[in-house]
Amino acid sequence: DGGITQSPKYLFRKEGQNVTLSCEQNLNHDAMYWYRQDPGQGLRLIYYSQIVNDFQKGDIAEGYSVSREKKESFPLTVTSAQKNPTAFYLCASSRVEEQFFGPGTRLTVL
Amino acid sequence: SQQGEEDPQALSIQEGENATMNCSYKTSINNLQWYRQNSGRGLVHLILIRSNEREKHSGRLRVTLDTSKKSSSLLITASRAADTASYFCATVPTGANNLFFGTGTRLTVIP
Repeated sequence: DGGITQSPKYLFRKEGQNVTLSCEQNLNHDAMYWYRQDPGQGLRLIYYSQIVNDFQKGDIAEGYSVSREKKESFPLTVTSAQKNPTAFYLCASSRVEEQFFGPGTRLTVL
Repeated sequence: SQQGEEDPQALSIQEGENATMNCSYKTSINNLQWYRQNSGRGLVHLILIRSNEREKHSGRLRVTLDTSKKSSSLLITASRAADTASYFCATVPTGANNLFFGTGTRLTVIP
């Protein structure tokens, strides 16, 4: 899991609530990414950021929001607009081509 | 979608045997990467092969790339129980900065 931390490991949310997932890296990487993984599936890109104060939507950005105020941090907010938020969320960072992943946060909506 | 497809979806072998996983993709690429994921954990980068390369080795791993067929294979030789995991290919399409992941192959190595 390298120098990327995600918290919490498990998160439970009631329907209609927003929730923020934390991602911090100490690898001095410029680029950071958020992915969603559903059971038995590959990863789908939610948002990515190539540089501080800039971020771009990925394939499935609807219902999610991010910020990149510091190089080390890229928090993801899952809003109440996300219709099916229960999933495993993975954060990653990269310097050039290889991506380094955090351990993931498993979000369950009750 | 630019997502790739791995084949087979699941593979079960005896310890010591070789495991081969295949990946097909749809667009021209800059490079193709293979990642490993243990159950419930993050992904770990294994190997990267560029579009102008045909074969690459790293320890017990051998990756091939056929850009004319838009396919790649990952061979793990002399498998160990600790190799049990899901393996994903991911491509960086030409002109893109992001990775597009395949659906993964679940490998089980039986001791």
